[in-house]
Amino acid sequence: SQTIHQWPATLVQPVGSPLSLECTVEGTSNPNLYWYRQAAGRGLQLLFYSVGIGQISSEVPQNLSASRPQDRQFILSSKKLLLSDSGFYLCAWSVLQDRWGELFFGEGSRLTVL
Amino acid sequence: AQSVTQLDSQVPVFEEAPVELRCNYSSSVSVYLFWYVQYPNQGLQLLLKYLSGSTLVKGINGFEAEFNKSQTSFHLRKPSVHISDTAEYFCAVSVGGSQGNLIFGKGTKLSVKP
Repeated sequence: SQTIHQWPATLVQPVGSPLSLECTVEGTSNPNLYWYRQAAGRGLQLLFYSVGIGQISSEVPQNLSASRPQDRQFILSSKKLLLSDSGFYLCAWSVLQDRWGELFFGEGSRLTVL
Repeated sequence: AQSVTQLDSQVPVFEEAPVELRCNYSSSVSVYLFWYVQYPNQGLQLLLKYLSGSTLVKGINGFEAEFNKSQTSFHLRKPSVHISDTAEYFCAVSVGGSQGNLIFGKGTKLSVKP
């Protein structure tokens, strides 16, 4: 069966420091991959999605970037964190040929920027 | 463009009472509809989905939802809630395909009291 792993689960970083969140999917090939951010009272915001290695689409211009160095690996990064980057970050995947858009989520990474 | 409105941000209920979480969507084309549940500090899990066919959809943990095309609604119901149902519930809509076009509502926090 397919599984998705995110790490770290919790992160506390100072303003201006770099960020790297990693997500790995097992048990499937060529998944679509997504990064969402969940901030208090704002629901789920799609940040990036990827349909293949090296292919990244950004939904919201901001202080973050994403990379997909391998088929089942998706990384969220920042060179210099802002206070507004605090939130709960969720990685998700979907089947490449899925017609319905169903997503499968990881356990999330809680980032606190101080 | 599609959008999802969850009419209640918080719903407090007593244990063993029935509950309905409301969701309305707007779209000019046919849609696929989903309900996800998020327990504290966890990722999202799929509760149920409507793709086609019967408008009454049954999901996990005793939840069900009814698709009403004329009212563009997809309300979630459970006849008798448990303390363990305390969580945040997200309604989502997709027009198909798998390229990041699953649109989420802002969520409803269900709080079940003894």
